[in-house]
Amino acid sequence: AEKVIQVWSTASRQEGEELTLDCSYETSQVLYHLFWYKHLLSGEMVFLIRQTSSSTAKERSGRYSVVFQKSLKSISLIISALQPDDSGKYFCALWEPRTGGYKVVFGSGTRLLVSP
Amino acid sequence: AQTIHQWPVAEIKAVGSPLSLGCTIKGKSSPNLYWYWQATGGTLQQLFYSITVGQVESVVQLNLSASRPKDDQFILSTEKLLLSHSGFYLCALTGGENTLYFGAGTRLSVL
Repeated sequence: AEKVIQVWSTASRQEGEELTLDCSYETSQVLYHLFWYKHLLSGEMVFLIRQTSSSTAKERSGRYSVVFQKSLKSISLIISALQPDDSGKYFCALWEPRTGGYKVVFGSGTRLLVSP
Repeated sequence: AQTIHQWPVAEIKAVGSPLSLGCTIKGKSSPNLYWYWQATGGTLQQLFYSITVGQVESVVQLNLSASRPKDDQFILSTEKLLLSHSGFYLCALTGGENTLYFGAGTRLSVL
């Protein structure tokens, strides 16, 4: 069965540091996508970065990058030059195409606190 | 296995015009249903959820409304579209812990 595991429920760093958030997953699908989101108090899941299973490109978006180890079924989010505004809850999600839509499994999230 | 059918697949509408998007569920009785809006960048915003017929909770105010007229149907609507309503609308149901099943979505362009 599909599963997404974020081992660390909390993390704290100082402003300017770099953070790696780990996520492992289980899937039997060949094609899937892994998303990282930041969850806001408003309920919005802000999209950060996406990795497609078939891609070998090292995805990067601004201060966000990922380390994708497909054989280990692992994807880590790296946030560089942390700012206090980066504080919040981060979710890893596995998107699997299904007939007529997608199945999405979310990890339980990691709450990050960045101190000035 | 449950299926989620969303209609229409895409809409192009004028500002100020009405809108109705639909979602029909097959294969699951009494589902918890959700409307999500996905912005162009990929950000997901939960709009409404419903746990039973006739009951809908609003998560965010976006000048939209939702109704659950039947157990297997969830409708998203507005009488007056705004430019900011453009985006991708996804109907979803829960499929276990931390799991959502999304439909294929409706792409809405408001001009």
